[in-house]
Amino acid sequence: EIVLTQSPGTLSLSPGERATLSCRASQSVSSTYLVWYQQKPGQAPRLLIFGSSRRATGIPDRFSGGGSGTDFTLTISRLEPEDFAVYYCQQFGSSLWTFGQGTKVEIK
Amino acid sequence: QVQLVESGGGLVKPGGSLRLSCAASGFSFSDYYMTWIRQAPGKGLEWISYISSSSTFTDYADSVKGRFTISRDNAKNSLYLQMNSLRAEDTAVYYCASHGGTNYYYGADVWGQGTTVTVSS
Repeated sequence: EIVLTQSPGTLSLSPGERATLSCRASQSVSSTYLVWYQQKPGQAPRLLIFGSSRRATGIPDRFSGGGSGTDFTLTISRLEPEDFAVYYCQQFGSSLWTFGQGTKVEIK
Repeated sequence: QVQLVESGGGLVKPGGSLRLSCAASGFSFSDYYMTWIRQAPGKGLEWISYISSSSTFTDYADSVKGRFTISRDNAKNSLYLQMNSLRAEDTAVYYCASHGGTNYYYGADVWGQGTTVTVSS
């Protein structure tokens, strides 16, 4: 099983600031098989990024992803009020499709 | 419109069984991988199981392997999760999701609203 570790657990930032979220895998994952989701309280998750860097339909370009091997990053260039949420990475590099534990982006 | 609607959740005693259903509409259900994902109260997302478009491939998280069974009926546009030998730690909101992209690894782009399962005596 590939374990995904996200850091930090919580990110306290102000609107307009840049957010950088990390997702580290316990073994190498092809960038093709890494995605990111956003989840707001009381809602189902929403797909943001697939293939580590490709934005899903309707996702604003302030969201970007990158990385390779065991280290992946989600960046929000300028935080909007609606971006404060929990973010999860997920991998499909093994037959067990694991999630990271999540990073909460909260208003400072 | 594109929609997934889960049903079948509820309160069940430890050791009991429950069958969750997920009804799909507005898209070509039979073309896509489907998954079940759960979220315990106040916790993160946990992938449970996936099934390929024609049911050829399935797999399960270790936490549910041997107790849960995923299945689908493409004629009815429906996904199922049979849950046996339920434990308190299975208490969660259960989501079904569709991997509607060109390949399953494009991620789950359509989600249901979730159904709550509570395992308690």
